[in-house]
Amino acid sequence: QVQLQESGPGLVRPLQTLSLTCTVSGDSISSGGHYWSWIRQHPGGGLEWIGYIYYSGNTYYNPSLRSRVTISVDTSKNQFSLMVTSVTAADTGVYYCARGGYEYFDYWGQGTQVTVYS
Amino acid sequence: QMTQSPSTLSASVGDRVTITCRASQSVNNGLAWYHQTPGKAPKLLIYKASTLQTGVPSTFSGSGSGTEFTLTISGLQPDDFGTYYCQQYNIYPWTFGQGTKVEIK
Repeated sequence: QVQLQESGPGLVRPLQTLSLTCTVSGDSISSGGHYWSWIRQHPGGGLEWIGYIYYSGNTYYNPSLRSRVTISVDTSKNQFSLMVTSVTAADTGVYYCARGGYEYFDYWGQGTQVTVYS
Repeated sequence: QMTQSPSTLSASVGDRVTITCRASQSVNNGLAWYHQTPGKAPKLLIYKASTLQTGVPSTFSGSGSGTEFTLTISGLQPDDFGTYYCQQYNIYPWTFGQGTKVEIK
């Protein structure tokens, strides 16, 4: 059974960097069978795809966040990570990691709440 | 841009429910549907507009192509209440509809 688990700080100061890690079990990122994505859900419920990474390191970022986002992968740990710089209150929400991104998303982590607060 | 209708609907167990998702331009059949309950992650129901994900009950069905799509639940069950989202994966960046909340009447 494929499982994904997000981890990282739940509180971030404005203008600081948000950093999250997703640990994958039940599948191997390095097998190259799938893309791996970050998605966030705003407080009003809207879902926004942040971007994906492939095991090779190839990435795609949503233009809405491209200048502030980095997604990286550590195949030795079967993990991939998200960094968002210069955060504001608009970055508050639930962050999900998911398997997919080439098309749809078939497995999701449980999500982690991130709040930008001053 | 993906637009779902209605935004909210009230229904009873056993009802037939239809949700519509419209795209601002053609996405061919690159359309998925998800179901989310409070505090949980979205769950994939349908992809390629009409293909049922493994393990999803056959009471769910999807149809459409181009700019108009529908998700139908042929007999609403208690576990089916929650919010439904469509997602297009034909035009970068992939985008989601704003959601349709299915409430108990």
